[in-house]
Amino acid sequence: AQTVTQSQPEMSVQEAETVTLSCTYDTSESNYYLFWYKQPPSRQMILVIRQEAYKQQNATENRFSVNFQKAAKSFSLKISDSQLGDTAMYFCAFTLQGAQKLVFGQGTRLTINP
Amino acid sequence: GAVVSQHPSWVICKSGTSVKIECRSLDFQATTMFWYRQFPKQSLMLMATSNEGSKATYEQGVEKDKFLINHASLTLSTLTVTSAHPEDSSFYICSATKRTVDRDTQYFGPGTRLTVL
Repeated sequence: AQTVTQSQPEMSVQEAETVTLSCTYDTSESNYYLFWYKQPPSRQMILVIRQEAYKQQNATENRFSVNFQKAAKSFSLKISDSQLGDTAMYFCAFTLQGAQKLVFGQGTRLTINP
Repeated sequence: GAVVSQHPSWVICKSGTSVKIECRSLDFQATTMFWYRQFPKQSLMLMATSNEGSKATYEQGVEKDKFLINHASLTLSTLTVTSAHPEDSSFYICSATKRTVDRDTQYFGPGTRLTVL
């Protein structure tokens, strides 16, 4: 079975700083997808970024980028120039290619301080 | 875009009654939808996979007779909590899969807060 682990329950940084959230996963499969979802206080889940395992290039979306290390089964999220609106729970998630079902990590509560 | 709605956004009911929660994909068709449960300050726990036109697939430990799922159309799935009890109080979230040529992406509804008195 696949598992996703987020070892940082909480993080806090100052506005405009860069912050990195960690995620590791375990799978014996080679074709899969990884995601970072954001859940702000409204509790609406929002897709932040996705990475296909077959792609070597790390995904980027504006201020959000990932460091995907397939051999190490690591998938960290870097938020640059953090903003107050980035305050949220962040969940790392995994799905096998074609499976659709998401496996979530425990989440990291990120607080951006003014 | 890809929008998923849920109704109601919150509901309070008496113990022993049944509550129905609707999940709709507003601008795309979804053959597969998912139902999650989330306790305070915890992650999402998958309850079941809802497939249009067929029976739902429940995760281990989830009572199928307690949580009835119906996916009668490509844009609507419903979750009915039968004979609700206080321990069923939780935040319920649905998601729907939008399929394109090169990828599947799950979009989430805003959630429903259920309180059973």
